[in-house]
Amino acid sequence: DAKTTQPPSMDCAEGRAANLPCNHSTISGNEYVYWYRQIHSQGPQYIIHGLKNNETNEMASLIITEDRKSSTLILPHATLRDTAVYYCIVRVRALSNYKLTFGKGTLLTVNP
Amino acid sequence: SAVISQKPSRDICQRGTSLTIQCQVDSQVTMMFWYRQQPGQSLTLIATANQGSEATYESGFVIDKFPISRPNLTFSTLTVSNMSPEDSSIYLCSVAWTERETQYFGPGTRLLVL
Repeated sequence: DAKTTQPPSMDCAEGRAANLPCNHSTISGNEYVYWYRQIHSQGPQYIIHGLKNNETNEMASLIITEDRKSSTLILPHATLRDTAVYYCIVRVRALSNYKLTFGKGTLLTVNP
Repeated sequence: SAVISQKPSRDICQRGTSLTIQCQVDSQVTMMFWYRQQPGQSLTLIATANQGSEATYESGFVIDKFPISRPNLTFSTLTVSNMSPEDSSIYLCSVAWTERETQYFGPGTRLLVL
């Protein structure tokens, strides 16, 4: 699976959009981009994933660049409860491969 | 998604003892996994729990230390054997379905070994 690079930490004001970047320059054509978050010592929570098109759900939007070498997770209206470590993970699209390789992620702190 | 529960939620154990952690899912799942998160670190996959057969372990993890059972499609156990303080971690169960592309995690079990 391709390696990802994320900033170690970011701050965001409550009510503003949080834009979390992820670099995955070695991604291959059959690899998905996944985003999870982990609120202090809880189990990771699935947020969203995509292959090459932008995706949106009730939690967030995922913007993947045309060359797929980077992506941005957008939380449109951040709240204090969105303070967490956000993990960007690349995984090969294959029924036999479910391993998620977690990096260090980005600690997003939402400030009042 | 699925509702995943783990027991115990936390425990404090003495070195040299063993602890069995249970993972229960409210629906049948294709795949179940066990991860470890050491203090201040990210998650690391221990093994894939296979129903009716031996678990598949990742490099650095062995069956004698982390025996795993999966008797059916909704339940699995992970035992941490002959514990030492280095085993103090959060142990997490996760599940997936072959027809879906997403993996979901349980709440975790916090283990402190003295």
